[in-house]
Amino acid sequence: EVQVLESGGGLVQPGGSLRLSCTASGFTFNNFAMNWVRQAPGKGLEWVSVISGGGDRTYYADSVKGRFTISRDDSQNTVYLQMNSLRAEDTAIYYCTKDSWRESPNAIDVWGQGTMVTVSS
Amino acid sequence: QVVLTQSPSASASLGASVKLTCTLTSGHSSYAIAWHQQQPEKGPRFLMRVNRDGSHKKGDGIPDRFSGSSSGAERSLTISSLQSEDEADYYCQTWDTGIQVFGGGTKLTVL
Repeated sequence: EVQVLESGGGLVQPGGSLRLSCTASGFTFNNFAMNWVRQAPGKGLEWVSVISGGGDRTYYADSVKGRFTISRDDSQNTVYLQMNSLRAEDTAIYYCTKDSWRESPNAIDVWGQGTMVTVSS
Repeated sequence: QVVLTQSPSASASLGASVKLTCTLTSGHSSYAIAWHQQQPEKGPRFLMRVNRDGSHKKGDGIPDRFSGSSSGAERSLTISSLQSEDEADYYCQTWDTGIQVFGGGTKLTVL
């Protein structure tokens, strides 16, 4: 079964940092790009970042550029999202998603269950 | 930059059919899109990809009641024989170089 599982969410103060992890199974991990998508409480879906299969290309939404860093460890079938200088508006459920192609971006075809990040003092 | 437009809400009766639409911005009418369903208090689920020619490929386990189509800059999701569990938010998604884009979502109410 193809699945991705996020971890690492929690409560952090404004200006703080947090690292999310996402472990994948059921598919050849390094053959696919991986994304992070977030959803603020009561709001729609917002794409955050994508990393290509193999990790040679990364892209970010303007709202997180310069503060968030996406990376992957293909030996561990894991993708990460390092979040620095966190703001209240970063509060959201963060979903790890699998892209349908190696050279990102493309259709998202697998979603994780999400991990909640709350930025508050 | 490509933008996706969806109606905020839709409704239809139990057992009926409903068509949800996602419109691509001018100049991007050739783009494929993906449809995702988010039931209340759950994470999203991939439904299908819809190409410019109307061909579509569904995710694993998606019932035959769900189908996709295309006309010009519009990409549609049709749900037939509506069931109570179809009450959900539906999002369309597309992509371009270095970016993923989501529509604002349509909240479907099953009456």
